[in-house]
Amino acid sequence: QAVLTQPASLSASPGASASLTCTLRSGINVGTYRIYWYQQKPGSPPQYLLRYKSDSDKQQGSGVPSRFSGSKDASANAGILLISGLQSEDEADYYCMIWHSSVWVFGGGTKLTVL
Amino acid sequence: EVQLVQSGAEVKKPGESLKISCKGSGYSFTSYWIGWVRQMPGKGLEWMGIIYPGDSDTRYSPSFQGQVTISADKSISTAYLQWSSLKASDTAMYYCARRVAGTYYFDYWGQGTLVTVSS
Repeated sequence: QAVLTQPASLSASPGASASLTCTLRSGINVGTYRIYWYQQKPGSPPQYLLRYKSDSDKQQGSGVPSRFSGSKDASANAGILLISGLQSEDEADYYCMIWHSSVWVFGGGTKLTVL
Repeated sequence: EVQLVQSGAEVKKPGESLKISCKGSGYSFTSYWIGWVRQMPGKGLEWMGIIYPGDSDTRYSPSFQGQVTISADKSISTAYLQWSSLKASDTAMYYCARRVAGTYYFDYWGQGTLVTVSS
């Protein structure tokens, strides 16, 4: 079982909100991790969006709109990237990442379609 | 302005060797770790390894240990990723990225180097 699991795809309408999940493998407690989120558009490298561990331990990437925010669902053992007021330019692949057992681990990515 | 500029696309045959580069500018190159990330065609991101150019301390992902070599030449602010014998499965985009000091994420990324291995 992968350390981080993301749904392969998600569709949402312009102006709506999208909740992208990053589920940690059973036995790895989401509460102890900072979860980092990246956005990648076709033909471009990933861009850092934000970090979230708790409401008192979070960081927005430089220039990243406040429409992007992080949270956690402890009951689901998952980190969440919430994008509100979806715009066409938000259509991209989104990856979560953690530092786990001295290695960097990425989720498989979610392709967000805005239509 | 912080920049990581990677070398250009490469087309190689199986068994050949290759060394790609990542040149940093706009910051103190020796003070930040540089990581390498693989992205196979149509797939996700995989961390390969990381080097601290200040003293060449290098760490590898268990998945890539022994498969690649990461090095750096601090005199020219450049990090490298090399293979001694390429395989078709090494076909991918490779990114270098700067690790933010004191944290566990990467802020600036290179533009990527596409490596194609085909007979």
